[in-house]
Parts: sequence; C-alpha cells; structure tokens
Amino acid sequence: EVQLVESGGGLVKPGGSLRLSCAASGFTFSSYSMNWVRQAPGKGLEWVSSISSSSSYIYYADSVKGRFTISRDNAKNSLYLQMNSLRAEDTAVYYCASGRGGVGAIFDYWGQGTLVTVSS
Amino acid sequence: EIVLTQSPATLSLSPGERATLSCRASQSVSSYLAWYQQKPGQAPRLLIYDASNRATGIPARFSGSGSGTDFTLTISSLEPEDFAVYYCQQRSNFGPGTKVDIK
Repeated sequence: EVQLVESGGGLVKPGGSLRLSCAASGFTFSSYSMNWVRQAPGKGLEWVSSISSSSSYIYYADSVKGRFTISRDNAKNSLYLQMNSLRAEDTAVYYCASGRGGVGAIFDYWGQGTLVTVSS
Repeated sequence: EIVLTQSPATLSLSPGERATLSCRASQSVSSYLAWYQQKPGQAPRLLIYDASNRATGIPARFSGSGSGTDFTLTISSLEPEDFAVYYCQQRSNFGPGTKVDIK
C-alpha cells in the first residue's frame, strides 16, 4: 500500500523558515517524480513544485520561486520542501504527491497534508 | 499559461442521479487532463487521468471524456460517498473546482 506522510508544518512568523518532509513507502520511491501541492484554508488546489526521480529536473510555481527549494533523498525514501522568507499568503495545507506521466503531469497518490501557518 | 474553468460551481443532486461536470481549457491540452475528488478534511484523490482513464480502484460509475479544450467528468449514479469537490488539472494548473452537494 502506498503511503505518503508529511511532517514539519507549524506556526511561523513572516520572514521565517520551515522545512517540510514527506516519508514514502509502499512503492519504489526512486522511480517516481514527486510533487508538492498546497491548499489555502477554504480555497482550491495550487501546485507548488515538482522534482524528477533523479532530481535532474526541478520546477517551481512563480509564487514560490527563489524562496522554496524542493529536494529528495532516494536512499531515505523522502521528499523535502525548504521554505524561506515565508509570507502570510503561504499559509496552507501542504500535500506531497507522487507523480506519473512525466514530471508534474499527474498527481497519483497523496499524503494527508501538513498545515503551515504564517502569522505574527 | 493555461487557465482551466469548471462549471457549474455547485451541482445539487440526489443520490442515484447522474452528475455531469465540465472543465474547459483556455487552449488545447490534447488529452492531458486529470480529475480529482476531495472530501472535507481529506486529501485529494486521483479519479481520471489522460482525460478518460480511471485510476486504480476507481469505480466504473466515474467516467471521463473529451479532448482539446472541453472535458467532462460523469458520475453515472451518485452514491452517498460521491458528494465532494471535484477538480480538473492539467500539469501545473488546477481548475477552481465543482462542489457536488446533496439536494
């Protein structure tokens, strides 16, 4: 059974940093691209970032480019999102999702999400 | 950038009825469109990919069709657990969602 478990969310002040993690199991993590998608309270889904299986290809939404960094450790079956210079508008539930059909094409399996709140 | 528009915003139906949800792209996306279901407090779940292919474990009452700019998600006979929000997606772009609620 595919499992994706996010952690690392919490309350942070504007301008602060946070590192999200996603632990994967039940599939060959190193063979799949991975993604972060977020959802602000009461709003729709917003793609954040994608990374290819070998980390060769990385993409970011314009809204986070230059502030967020996606990475992965295939030996640890883990995905990460380093978030710097956080803003109030980054407040959201952050989901990690496995990918299929090319980097950032289809979001196959999703974790339950971790809540990030940016507030003073 | 491709913009996805979904209609209607809300669909009020009774269990057993047929649901037809629409997603329109601002330019052709060929058949590269997916549909997701999200229930309150839960993560989204992939239903349909490449416009018409059901994901693993998705019941046959869910079907997708379309290509180019116009796509449809059909639920042939609504079950109680199908009342949720449905999003279409093409790569980095998500539609705003259609809420299917109980009439």
